[in-house]
Amino acid sequence: RKEVEQDPGPFNVPEGATVAFNCTYSNSASQSFFWYRQDCRKEPKLLMSVYSSGNEDGRFTAQLNRASQYISLLIRDSKLSDSATYLCVVNQGGTSYGKLTFGQGTILTVHP
Amino acid sequence: GAGVSQTPSNKVTEKGKYVELRCDPISGHTALYWYRQSLGQGPEFLIYFQGTGAADDSGLPNDRFFAVRPEGSVSTLKIQRTERGDSAVYLCASSLTLESSGRNEQFFGPGTRLTVL
Repeated sequence: RKEVEQDPGPFNVPEGATVAFNCTYSNSASQSFFWYRQDCRKEPKLLMSVYSSGNEDGRFTAQLNRASQYISLLIRDSKLSDSATYLCVVNQGGTSYGKLTFGQGTILTVHP
Repeated sequence: GAGVSQTPSNKVTEKGKYVELRCDPISGHTALYWYRQSLGQGPEFLIYFQGTGAADDSGLPNDRFFAVRPEGSVSTLKIQRTERGDSAVYLCASSLTLESSGRNEQFFGPGTRLTVL
């Protein structure tokens, strides 16, 4: 089983749609969780950190369920500029606290 | 301010050759990380440094891979006897600090695209 697994995608949605991405992680001791965004042939950039109470930043909402080892990202009112690959990222902390473990990414395409 | 920079942006080499990839972290960042990313996959951890020392090199695939950070700033990833399977984008990241909680944002450079023929 992969350490971080994401919806395979790709997602193709019209502008204005709401889209949700899911992610599961295997290590129950994982401490920190993130969503990164990666544009084509560019580097990953932090979109949001995910806190245990859930957090919202404008059109983006992230949720964490530690009991189910599940992370989600919700994008409301999708824009063309949201088209990118979304990477679910986990930091296991402990002795590995410098290491980020990435999911394979989910491709989102928002069309007019 | 300036972000993480990596050189070269592209490197094409022949099987069996030696390559060096360079990373300049954001000024003042104490932690530096190397990842590699194959097509269609997320980045995969290789090694990270806190200051000059390699704190965790568990992701290096074998002893052909080696990385240094002699003065606690610039880092070089070195690959000996390159193989076709080493072809990937090699990403460097840095963070201001390295917290045991893992809640430290890593800023990525644009990567070096390595192609081994």
